[in-house]
Amino acid sequence: KQEVTQIPAALSVPEGENLVLNCSFTDSAIYNLQWFRQDPGKGLTSLLLIQSSQREQTSGRLNASLDKSSGRSTLYIAASQPGDSATYLCAVMDAGNMLTFGGGTRLMVKP
Amino acid sequence: EAEVAQSPRYKITEKSQAVAFWCDPISGHATLYWYRQILGQGPELLVQFQDESVVDDSQLPKDRFSAERLKGVDSTLKIQPAELGDSAMYLCASRLTGARETQYFGPGTRLLVL
Repeated sequence: KQEVTQIPAALSVPEGENLVLNCSFTDSAIYNLQWFRQDPGKGLTSLLLIQSSQREQTSGRLNASLDKSSGRSTLYIAASQPGDSATYLCAVMDAGNMLTFGGGTRLMVKP
Repeated sequence: EAEVAQSPRYKITEKSQAVAFWCDPISGHATLYWYRQILGQGPELLVQFQDESVVDDSQLPKDRFSAERLKGVDSTLKIQPAELGDSAMYLCASRLTGARETQYFGPGTRLLVL
């Protein structure tokens, strides 16, 4: 059974810092990996999707990398802003189109 | 931009009562998912539909939970009877049929069982 782990569980940084969120998964037979953002009490917003054949994806200040063989992904956030404060969730999709989520990283960016 | 709609947004009920949640996926999305998210954890899949058919409900507690998507469009998730441990956020997601398509999530229904 696929297991997804996210480290750290919580992170507090001052505004302007560059930061890295980590995600690891136990079964490398994935179809793709996604990073989602979730604001308190709200649904999930997809940030980046990396296909299994890709190494990274970029969107604005966000960059996600994927090393399928080692079962790892990182989400890099450049020049963090208070508006980036949210929970970031990593999820892997298997060949049956099922998503398995990690527990999330709760990020607080202080002004 | 089209969105997944869910209602109600919040529901408070007493244990042993019945509750129902509704989801309207993005038009044209044949695949629909229901997830449960306990506070501080990631979402866990309860059931997946392809059109009106259940693809996977292996994690659905079938003694008390039921889900239907009769016409292959909107869907209802029901809990009868509700238990204290059912307090969670219930998320609905939909996607186009196609291996590279992302899932789009609704705002969720937050359930509190007293």
